[in-house]
Amino acid sequence: DPKIIQKPKYLVAVTGSEKILICEQYLGHNAMYWYRQSAKKPLEFMFSYSYQKLMDNQTASSRFQPQSSKKNHLDLQITALKPDDSATYFCASSQEANSQNTLYFGAGTRLSVL
Amino acid sequence: GEQVEQLPSILRVQEGSSASINCSYEDSASNYFPWYKQEPGENPKLIIDIRSNMERKQIQELIVLLDKKAKRFSLHITDTQPGDSAMYFCAASEENYGNEKITFGAGTKLTIKP
Repeated sequence: DPKIIQKPKYLVAVTGSEKILICEQYLGHNAMYWYRQSAKKPLEFMFSYSYQKLMDNQTASSRFQPQSSKKNHLDLQITALKPDDSATYFCASSQEANSQNTLYFGAGTRLSVL
Repeated sequence: GEQVEQLPSILRVQEGSSASINCSYEDSASNYFPWYKQEPGENPKLIIDIRSNMERKQIQELIVLLDKKAKRFSLHITDTQPGDSAMYFCAASEENYGNEKITFGAGTKLTIKP
């Protein structure tokens, strides 16, 4: 029974389009994150949120915008998609935004941009 | 920011033997070092971690060593089994409440040969 739900599991998009990756966690955690994994850069940190506030952004492009409508939600909107955006996007959470809290990862959304 | 180097990238060992993965980091302020295991098609999961107040930690067949002076840490899997075949990621972070960012190594693909 997954406690971090990511939707969809697989996503195919055309270049230039916009997609939203969904993440909900039911662990009662206060911190949520997005990581990206590709052949070029395994497990690359993107964003961290704590109590729905952005704490850290290591994504150079403004095409990636996290959205937190509820404390246990952190969606990722990606605009003007490029083939280089193809990767698996992992949502994660931890009890608090303290780097010594265990990170729990969702199953990931595998995005392919054609 | 922190940089974590992980070697080797590919490791093949005979079932029953030991496997070792080595990581080094740059930021002397890093004080927490988790290891994650990712099986094919699955999400990364924490398997063991060590904090800077320790030099050695063991959980069953997993042993982690930390050399703070050399800024190196390592994972040793003794008596390897087929179920140990997976990607392994080391990571390093500094406790910095409210601004968590764990930096991952590039990963080691471990294959256990029967």
